[in-house]
Amino acid sequence: DGGITQSPKYLFRKEGQNVTLSCEQNLNHDAMYWYRQDPGQGLRLIYYSQIVNDFQKGDIAEGYSVSREKKESFPLTVTSAQKNPTAFYLCASSMLGETQYFGPGTRLLVL
Amino acid sequence: QKEVEQNSGPLSVPEGAIASLNCTYSDRGSQSFFWYRQYSGKSPELIMFIYSNGDKEDGRFTAQLNKASQYVSLLIRDSQPSDSATYLCAVNRGDSNYQLIWGAGTKLIIKP
Repeated sequence: DGGITQSPKYLFRKEGQNVTLSCEQNLNHDAMYWYRQDPGQGLRLIYYSQIVNDFQKGDIAEGYSVSREKKESFPLTVTSAQKNPTAFYLCASSMLGETQYFGPGTRLLVL
Repeated sequence: QKEVEQNSGPLSVPEGAIASLNCTYSDRGSQSFFWYRQYSGKSPELIMFIYSNGDKEDGRFTAQLNKASQYVSLLIRDSQPSDSATYLCAVNRGDSNYQLIWGAGTKLIIKP
């Protein structure tokens, strides 16, 4: 089965804690993206990567970090510097310049 | 600030009627335009993309693009209750093929 997987489905973060969201794809897509969605707002780009070992900041990168060590994987770390992390986090992938396809998402909640 | 504007709705349409969803964008350099459907609590799924002025049809869905007016729309014919969802419009940034600008979405409700 080809697709994009994200885990966990729900994640709880305590004050001052870093947490990592997983995103894996087996579509052989070159590009991967992380978005944040808040109620009533459009998707906002956090980071994106066009190639292994390279990534660029999106519009709201502060308080987040990523890595792209393998083509299939693009994990997102929400650091303690992100003061308002509660949101729906969406990972997407695409061939370069083509349509983006989404994983099922991770909902992050703060305890 | 490049923007994509959509009416938040909800847009209520009787079952079997045509639903018309609209989107305007500010970046004149945008060349790729996408419509995604998002059910509550789920991730967006692609419905259609359009690159050229005019209409593009796929089953019950028609996308319409007017670059001069910076306007893209989605028509859903023979609306079904299963079409009830939020519809997101996205356009590429004129200076990047990789980055999309997203509207906040229009909530569509199909009444049986």
